[in-house]
Amino acid sequence: EVQLVQSGAEVKKPGESLKISCKGSGYSFTSYWIGWVRQMPGKGLEWMGIIYPGDSDTRYSPSFQGQVTISADKSISTAYLQWSSLKASDTAMYYCARRLDTAMVLDYWGQGTLVTVSS
Amino acid sequence: AIRMTQSPSSFSASTGDRVTITCRASQGISSYLAWYQQKPGKAPKLLIYAASTLQSGVPSRFSGSGSGTDFTLTISCLQSEDFATYYCQQYYSYTYTFGQGTKLEIK
Repeated sequence: EVQLVQSGAEVKKPGESLKISCKGSGYSFTSYWIGWVRQMPGKGLEWMGIIYPGDSDTRYSPSFQGQVTISADKSISTAYLQWSSLKASDTAMYYCARRLDTAMVLDYWGQGTLVTVSS
Repeated sequence: AIRMTQSPSSFSASTGDRVTITCRASQGISSYLAWYQQKPGKAPKLLIYAASTLQSGVPSRFSGSGSGTDFTLTISCLQSEDFATYYCQQYYSYTYTFGQGTKLEIK
């Protein structure tokens, strides 16, 4: 069974750093892209970026380029999303999801990680 | 960047109804269009990709059509579990933008 399990909810202060994780299982982790999607409170979905764990090829949406870093450690089948300096506007639910092999759409999703940034 | 506009933003329907949600792209995207369903507190679920290809395991009452700039998601006979928010997503351009969502509520 394909599963993506994300790390737990985080509460941080503005200016702090953060790295959240997404562990894949039940499939060949290095053979499928992993994407990250943001959902701000009460709002819609926003594509942030995507990584191919096999070679760490990473693509960012222009809106998120330079704002976050996406990485992966294929030895432990885990993808990451990190911030160097959080802002209150980073408060959101963050989902990781696996890319379907035949199209740039997301077929299996993690349960989401809620990040709250507040002073 | 390609903008995706869904209509309506929300509406009410009854179980058994046939409903259609529309998604319009700001420029042509061929058939590079997907639909997702999201229930409160849950991750989105892929329903349809390539405008009309049903994802494995998705009930056949869901169907998609369109190409170019205009697309529709149709639910042929609404079930109670279908009340949710629906999003379209283009994957023609690397920005992979989503529509703003259509919330389907029980009448």
